[in-house]
Amino acid sequence: DIQLTQSPSFLSASVGDRVTITCRASQGIINFLAWYRQKPGQAPQLLIKSASTLQSGVPSRFGGSGSGTEFTLTISSLQPEDFATYFCQQVNTYPRTFGQGTKVEIK
Amino acid sequence: QVQLQESGPGLVKPSETLSLTCTLSGGSISSYYWAWIRQSPGRGLEWIGHIYYTGGTDYNPSLKSRVSLSVDTSNNQFSLKLTSVTAADTAVYYCARDPYGDFFDFWGQGILVTVSS
Repeated sequence: DIQLTQSPSFLSASVGDRVTITCRASQGIINFLAWYRQKPGQAPQLLIKSASTLQSGVPSRFGGSGSGTEFTLTISSLQPEDFATYFCQQVNTYPRTFGQGTKVEIK
Repeated sequence: QVQLQESGPGLVKPSETLSLTCTLSGGSISSYYWAWIRQSPGRGLEWIGHIYYTGGTDYNPSLKSRVSLSVDTSNNQFSLKLTSVTAADTAVYYCARDPYGDFFDFWGQGILVTVSS
């Protein structure tokens, strides 16, 4: 199975901050990576697919980049609803796997 | 608007079979893949498998011997069966739309299933 390692696991930030989360894959996955946001008590929500394509309806403050084994999710200006947990997911091979999550907390 | 809703028992005894159904509204199940994912504090998010509307399946090898997915196009539903459950199968189970066999763009709210006697 492909292992996905996110860093950091926890992040404290303020409204308006620029935030960057990294996802590293144990082997190359080209650009077959997605990012999700999960608010407490809710299901994950797809933000980014194919490493850098913004999902329909997702605000433009979210951006994704990377290829191969290293990927980045950037939130350009953190909003109150962005205090949540973020997950990456690879879709290059079966089984589909997820990162362990990055929790973004209010500083 | 596509909506998914999981249903089934919230409590299952060890060694028994966990059975869940996902009902789709606001769209037709006769397109795309449909997936099951579970989440627990110890295992994080875990892909269980997905089923194409024509019935083709892919399963997580870690669960393959115990899992079965099916689709009922006439009722716009798809289902999960997991046999011989243990406490390790306690989790929130989500169903999701998996349009091209990869990313999940619509999710159900999730259902907590506890395995306990």
